[in-house]
Amino acid sequence: EAGVAQSPRYKIIEKRQSVAFWCNPISGHATLYWYQQILGQGPKLLIQFQNNGVVDDSQLPKDRFSAERLKGVDSTLKIQPAKLEDSAVYLCASSLATGHGDTEAFFGQGTRLTVV
Amino acid sequence: QQQVKQSPQSLIVQKGGISIINCAYENTAFDYFPWYQQFPGKGPALLIAIRPDVSEKKEGRFTISFNKSAKQFSLHIMDSQPGDSATYFCAGAASGTYKYIFGTGTRLKVLA
Repeated sequence: EAGVAQSPRYKIIEKRQSVAFWCNPISGHATLYWYQQILGQGPKLLIQFQNNGVVDDSQLPKDRFSAERLKGVDSTLKIQPAKLEDSAVYLCASSLATGHGDTEAFFGQGTRLTVV
Repeated sequence: QQQVKQSPQSLIVQKGGISIINCAYENTAFDYFPWYQQFPGKGPALLIAIRPDVSEKKEGRFTISFNKSAKQFSLHIMDSQPGDSATYFCAGAASGTYKYIFGTGTRLKVLA
């Protein structure tokens, strides 16, 4: 079974520039998450999709961050304009979320963003 | 904000020793408590998980102990090995939302 694919693996940009991250979840997984992991901290949920609808984006800084999940499959996360404090690893995860008991979230390797 | 508090921040254990990591949660709606293991440069991977209807779950050298009344749970790694050196995250989630709230992580180093 193929895992969650993310690209790029690394990105260095200057502050005020824009950047986009891409995620391809595991086939058939209805739920897709974007997490921000700052060095030395736990993953923080930015946005959660169920199919192509947003379930929770309460922690997403909407003045600069946006995300979409077209056709309920791939997703992109965009930052515009980037700030120094956005330097972090951006993790994408997906889960079946069938509504029947436990549902494991599978994570991609992440995109390490450095804003200089 | 729903929180999951995790301790210690870092842990050094001798090979063959027991590693213990503790977590406490606030949200009583949580009914699924996974532990994730993360190696440098990799995404977190599920290690073991528990539901509050049981007080303990064991898988190989890894055991979760759960105390519902105290809203606490812990991970025990028996016979710790250098290959266990990684960062461990506890999390809580509520059925239906599948929204995972992670702890701050514990960096474990097992000395050979």
